[in-house]
Amino acid sequence: QVQLVQSGGEVKKPGASVKVSCKASGYTFTTYGISWVRQAPGQGLEWMGWISAYYGSTNYAQNLQGRITMTTDTSTSTAYMELRSLRSDDTSVYYCVREGELSGSVVFQYWGQGTLVTVSS
Amino acid sequence: DIQMTQSPSSLSASVGDRVTITCRAGQSISSHLNWYQQKPGKAPKLLIYAASSLHSGVPSRFSGSGSGTDFTLTISSLQPEDFATYYCQQSYNSPRTFGQGTKVEIK
Repeated sequence: QVQLVQSGGEVKKPGASVKVSCKASGYTFTTYGISWVRQAPGQGLEWMGWISAYYGSTNYAQNLQGRITMTTDTSTSTAYMELRSLRSDDTSVYYCVREGELSGSVVFQYWGQGTLVTVSS
Repeated sequence: DIQMTQSPSSLSASVGDRVTITCRAGQSISSHLNWYQQKPGKAPKLLIYAASSLHSGVPSRFSGSGSGTDFTLTISSLQPEDFATYYCQQSYNSPRTFGQGTKVEIK
């Protein structure tokens, strides 16, 4: 079965960087793209960006451009999301999501368990 | 970016009630509309894709309809396990924007 297992929670100071990992299993890693979605406490879902696990090409949300980098390691079927220059409003649960296509529609089919990143001085 | 607007933001309902949540897109997205359910402390789960197709394993009391800019998620008979927050999401283009969510609470 498809599983996405994320790294553990992090506490960071403002201005620092965080790198969250997402290890995939149960499918051929390079067949599907990975999106990252975050959710601030008590708030809704925010799409952060996408990476092709095959090509490594990326597409980032405009408001995160310049601070975010998504990468993959195909040898270990792991995706990474690094966010730099952290601010207090980056405090969120970060999810990796394996995309799929059903009836011609892209869907967020499989989700990691989430990683809480807390930014606090 | 395509703005997705859900209504209501929250609702109170009883077990057995019929519940309807609406989602409006800022421009036509054809049928590229998905619905997700999220329970506290858990990752969202896919319920409905392509506006009206039920994802595998999702109970048939859930249904979706609509196309273009206006969409609806209906729960025909609310069950205790359905109390959660529901999000719509457009997959027409990038960025894949979500609605702000609708919290379904127990009356």
